[in-house]
Amino acid sequence: EDQVTQSPEALRLQEGESSSLNCSYTVSGLRGLFWYRQDPGKGPEFLFTLYSAGEEKEKERLKATLTKKESFLHITAPKPEDSATYLCAVQGRNQAGTALIFGKGTTLSVSS
Amino acid sequence: EAGVAQSPRYKIIEKRQSVAFWCNPISGHATLYWYQQILGQGPKLLIQFQNNGVVDDSQLPKDRFSAERLKGVDSTLKIQPAKLEDSAVYLCASSLEWGQGSYEQYFGPGTRLTVT
Repeated sequence: EDQVTQSPEALRLQEGESSSLNCSYTVSGLRGLFWYRQDPGKGPEFLFTLYSAGEEKEKERLKATLTKKESFLHITAPKPEDSATYLCAVQGRNQAGTALIFGKGTTLSVSS
Repeated sequence: EAGVAQSPRYKIIEKRQSVAFWCNPISGHATLYWYQQILGQGPKLLIQFQNNGVVDDSQLPKDRFSAERLKGVDSTLKIQPAKLEDSAVYLCASSLEWGQGSYEQYFGPGTRLTVT
């Protein structure tokens, strides 16, 4: 069964304190691994798609990396506006459709 | 470009009542998804449409949930009768048709349902 586990569940950082969020996955044939940001009361906002091990993508203070078993979302010098829940999801080749299988998310709080 | 639209944003009903949610996807997106997000969890797929056909409804509780996308554009999700455990946020998402090179799903703001 395809599965996604995110850690830690919650992370508190001081402004400027860099850290990483982990996403471990098991999937029968990875089509893609996705990172989303979700603010309270809003729908998930797309950040990145990674397709193969070794791939990296960056956007402002965020950098996503992928290995065969996990993905990391690195946050460099975070600001309070980076506070949100970060969701990781996978899309497998053996599913009936192309739905995303999500983890429970990591809730990041950045204080100034 | 307009995003995914959903209505209503909030709904409170009593158990055993019925409720319907509406979604209008991004223009040109052939694929539409309904997800259920329970507090503290990630979204979970209920049903996926490709144009007006169902691709995956394996996790849809068909005894009480139904969904349609009659003209291949907007969609309606219905719950009848509602149970307390249906309290959740119902998210609609859309994406380009598979094979067109962009598989990201774009989500609407969701409908928060409270069943009392």
